[in-house]
Amino acid sequence: DAGVIQSPRHEVTEMGQEVTLRCKPISGHNSLFWYRQTMMRGLELLIYFNNNVPIDDSGMPEDRFSAKMPNASFSTLKIQPSEPRDSAVYFCASSPLAGMGYNEQFFGPGTRLTVL
Amino acid sequence: GESVGLHLPTLSVQEGDNSIINCAYSNSASDYFIWYKQESGKGPQFIIDIRSNMDKRQGQRVTVLLNKTVKHLSLQIAATQPGDSAVYFCAEKASGGYNKLIFGAGTRLAVHP
Repeated sequence: DAGVIQSPRHEVTEMGQEVTLRCKPISGHNSLFWYRQTMMRGLELLIYFNNNVPIDDSGMPEDRFSAKMPNASFSTLKIQPSEPRDSAVYFCASSPLAGMGYNEQFFGPGTRLTVL
Repeated sequence: GESVGLHLPTLSVQEGDNSIINCAYSNSASDYFIWYKQESGKGPQFIIDIRSNMDKRQGQRVTVLLNKTVKHLSLQIAATQPGDSAVYFCAEKASGGYNKLIFGAGTRLAVHP
């Protein structure tokens, strides 16, 4: 398996532009997570899905952020409009469905976003 | 609220020495604790986990210790190698279920020859 795939790996955009980050989870994994990593705030969970359904989006910073998972093999995180403070590395992770237990999360390589 | 923190932001060790990375957590109801390793330019990678009903678990060259009395978690790496140089995160599985993790701030481990 190729692991979690994210695209693009790097994105540079100007303030006000729409940004779409993409993620393909590991085949067979039912849970998908979007994280943001910055020096100031560390690794923060933005939203996670179980079986394509958003379970907890309390980490989404504001309405400019939205995430979708139209099917089991694809998810997007969109920022519209983007702002310089959105600059960060965004990670997608997937895991088998854990229910009330725990299953290892497998992280993708991340997308480094720079908003000028 | 729930939070996970680390005592030391940077740890420098000599190659071959043992390393100990510490972590404090605040939520006594967390049922799993996990250590992740992140190398430069890569995503975090799972190292080892421990369930809250255990106080020690060993892997290959790594040992995790859990002290619930003082809410402390540690990762011990035996015979540290240059390839162990990375940032290490502790995380706790938030109480209430599912697979939601709360990550600590991270400790950078620098291994010197």
